[in-house]
Amino acid sequence: DAGVIQSPRHEVTEMGQEVTLRCKPISGHDYLFWYRQTMMRGLELLIYFNNNVPIDDSGMPEDRFSAKMPNASFSTLKIQPSEPRDSAVYFCASSLGQGLVSPLHFGNGTRLTVT
Amino acid sequence: TQLLEQSPQFLSIQEGENLTVYCNSSSVFSSLQWYRQEPGEGPVLLVTVVTGGEVKKLKRLTFQFGDARKDSSLHITAAQPGDTGLYLCAGDNNDMRFGAGTRLTVKP
Repeated sequence: DAGVIQSPRHEVTEMGQEVTLRCKPISGHDYLFWYRQTMMRGLELLIYFNNNVPIDDSGMPEDRFSAKMPNASFSTLKIQPSEPRDSAVYFCASSLGQGLVSPLHFGNGTRLTVT
Repeated sequence: TQLLEQSPQFLSIQEGENLTVYCNSSSVFSSLQWYRQEPGEGPVLLVTVVTGGEVKKLKRLTFQFGDARKDSSLHITAAQPGDTGLYLCAGDNNDMRFGAGTRLTVKP
């Protein structure tokens, strides 16, 4: 089991540039989550998918953020244009079922720095 | 606004000491999970508690779910440097939201 795979591990970009974060969930997991972690705000849920369909995107900060899941094995989180306040560690997680009875399996995150 | 409040925010203790960290909310949860996160990695599940009043033990770690299913505690006995990390609780309230965490440092 390779676990949840995220890329890149680190991303440094300039303000105004487009950033795309990638995630490959664990095979067979029906749910995929995107989180953002900062010291100030902790681990925030941005959006989650069930069977590739976005279920709740109320945590997405603003229209600059978008997420897609074109198939069961791939998801992207895009920020366009990026701003310094978007600097954070972005985590992708997957699970077998809904709710916390099924544990969340996290990737190792993408550390984004926007200068 | 954090749905789940964790305390203390930071805790630094010596090896061998006992400690308790807390996860509180005004909401009722059908289940609650505790995770530990180490630097440069994602959170890893420690335990899931489901029944009000439930107590689960994982070696030196004891987890308790409040009777009303609104709060939980994590007690560590004889802490070791390997216990150092960020401890996060997450409540199932139709979404998967986390508390801000307790950052624990155990000094040798």
